[in-house]
Amino acid sequence: RKEVEQDPGPFNVPEGATVAFNCTYSNSASQSFFWYRQDCRKEPKLLMSVYSSGNEDGRFTAQLNRASQYISLLIRDSKLSDSATYLCVVLRSNDYKLSFGAGTTVTVRA
Amino acid sequence: SAVISQKPSRDICQRGTSLTIQCQVDSQVTMMFWYRQQPGQSLTLIATANQGSEATYESGFVIDKFPISRPNLTFSTLTVSNMSPEDSSIYLCSVSGTPSTDTQYFGPGTRLTVL
Repeated sequence: RKEVEQDPGPFNVPEGATVAFNCTYSNSASQSFFWYRQDCRKEPKLLMSVYSSGNEDGRFTAQLNRASQYISLLIRDSKLSDSATYLCVVLRSNDYKLSFGAGTTVTVRA
Repeated sequence: SAVISQKPSRDICQRGTSLTIQCQVDSQVTMMFWYRQQPGQSLTLIATANQGSEATYESGFVIDKFPISRPNLTFSTLTVSNMSPEDSSIYLCSVSGTPSTDTQYFGPGTRLTVL
């Protein structure tokens, strides 16, 4: 089983729509979680860290469910510029290295 | 966050040759890492670059193929040796330790094509 699994999508949504997707992780001892955004042919950029109580950054809301070992990302009022691949990233508790999901592709259309 | 640069940004190389990729950070960082991202795939950690000592390699990666140097807290190099077309990939360095050790920030990547 992969350490981090994501629905690859693609999620095709109109501007203004809400889109949400999850990822699951296998190591119950994992402590830190992140969403990164990767645009085509660019490096991953940190979108937000995910905290136990859930957190919001503008139109982006991240949730963590430790019992079910999944993390979610919700994007409200989608913009064309939100089109990207979103990488779910988990910090491995044993060696403090990052494990990456394969990414969820989101395309926002006009 | 730290500003990270990589050189070269891209290269096309012949099989059997070697390429050294440089990663420069504008401030001292605790940790530096090297990743590979093959076409259509996510990131795979190659190794942790340790300052003043040998790099720590992940399973499936060896020093003879991917020698790494880290002479100080702001600079590291990754060499891809004896290249084959299967080495065609994007190579990314990342750093952590500023502002926290949990969060990693990535350089712009080096796009390598091996003919």
